[in-house]
Amino acid sequence: AQSVTQLDSQVPVFEEAPVELRCNYSSSVSVYLFWYVQYPNQGLQLLLKYLSGSTLVKGINGFEAEFNKSQTSFHLRKPSVHISDTAEYFCAVSGSKQGNTPLVFGKGTRLSVIA
Amino acid sequence: GAVVSQHPSRVICKSGTSVKIECRSLDFQATTMFWYRQFPKQSLMLMATSNEGSKATYEQGVEKDKFLINHASLTLSTLTVTSAHPEDSSFYICSARGTGRAGGYTFGSGTRLTVV
Repeated sequence: AQSVTQLDSQVPVFEEAPVELRCNYSSSVSVYLFWYVQYPNQGLQLLLKYLSGSTLVKGINGFEAEFNKSQTSFHLRKPSVHISDTAEYFCAVSGSKQGNTPLVFGKGTRLSVIA
Repeated sequence: GAVVSQHPSRVICKSGTSVKIECRSLDFQATTMFWYRQFPKQSLMLMATSNEGSKATYEQGVEKDKFLINHASLTLSTLTVTSAHPEDSSFYICSARGTGRAGGYTFGSGTRLTVV
């Protein structure tokens, strides 16, 4: 079984400052990792994903994440945040590339960008 | 890219009535559909998994007679909340998976259900 822990429920940060949202996972099988962003009353938008290959994954909106197998982490980073990045961010894990294995989500991190 | 259309986006219904939520895959065949619910300021909790043409598999604690899932075709899955009560008010999101290049997870835009 897979599980995800997002260590911070809320992260306030000033505009143009860097940010890191932390995510640790637990899995007994191969792991595929995802970061999603959710704006109020909307669905989920995929920021980036790690399936295999390079451990540094670049996504949309200037976000990137690094898969660290030894530390079982997949932290999300952005060097300079904007007000528009204020949203809820979810880390998720899956045990398969295809098929009927669902995504398991962390509890989410609320990123608040302060002007 | 893969797109899932979810309707309605918002619905208000009276207690005791039923509500149907639809998710359609527009440009791929959704062999598997996942249904999640999300309470305010909380994460997404998996309710059930359905494969086209088969009965849905429900997570522990989810009432299968209350949350009816139909996945009769490769492009349409529905969730019907029967005899809705105020505690069923929530945000419901579907996620579809296909095969090959559509093997990723594609999410609908969600349905805000309010039961009054």
